[in-house]
Amino acid sequence: DAKTTQPPSMDCAEGRAANLPCNHSTISGNEYVYWYRQIHSQGPQYIIHGLKNNETNEMASLIITEDRKSSTLILPHATLRDTAVYYCIVRAIFMYSGGGADGLTFGKGTHLIIQP
Amino acid sequence: DSGVTQTPKHLITATGQRVTLRCSPRSGDLSVYWYQQSLDQGLQFLIQYYNGEERAKGNILERFSAQQFPDLHSELNLSSLELGDSALYFCASSGARGDTQYFGPGTRLTVL
Repeated sequence: DAKTTQPPSMDCAEGRAANLPCNHSTISGNEYVYWYRQIHSQGPQYIIHGLKNNETNEMASLIITEDRKSSTLILPHATLRDTAVYYCIVRAIFMYSGGGADGLTFGKGTHLIIQP
Repeated sequence: DSGVTQTPKHLITATGQRVTLRCSPRSGDLSVYWYQQSLDQGLQFLIQYYNGEERAKGNILERFSAQQFPDLHSELNLSSLELGDSALYFCASSGARGDTQYFGPGTRLTVL
């Protein structure tokens, strides 16, 4: 899986949009960009993923650049409960006989702190 | 709530002992993954099972083993425990397509 680079920490004011960047310059054509977050020792929570098109769900939006070498996770209206470590993970999804895929490789992520 | 359950929530034991952690995947998910999160190593993938068979191995020690049962629940067995095995252990599950993994709340293991 391609390596990702994220800033170690970021601050954002409550109610504002939080924009978390991720660089993945060695991404391959069959690799997806995944975002997870972990709120203080809880289990990592899936947020969103995408291949090349921008994606949006009830939690966030994912913007992937045209060359796919970087992406931005956007939390549109950050709340105090969004304070967490956010992980950007690049991985290929492959189907072998019977399906399934191997484990995720977590880096250090970005510690997002929402300020009241 | 991800739908993945793990028991126990906390476990305190002594060095040299053996423990078993249990995970029930989301309904319909065939793949189970185990991860370890310690303060100095971060989140690390240990092992994956798919429909009862071992699929992939990560940084799992020889003292650790896992299995997945016919009802798809999984157990992670940790033996000859050392102080350094103190960590959070997470289980995740995914469907047949194998893309998105959903994590359980974890088991906090303390080895004294």
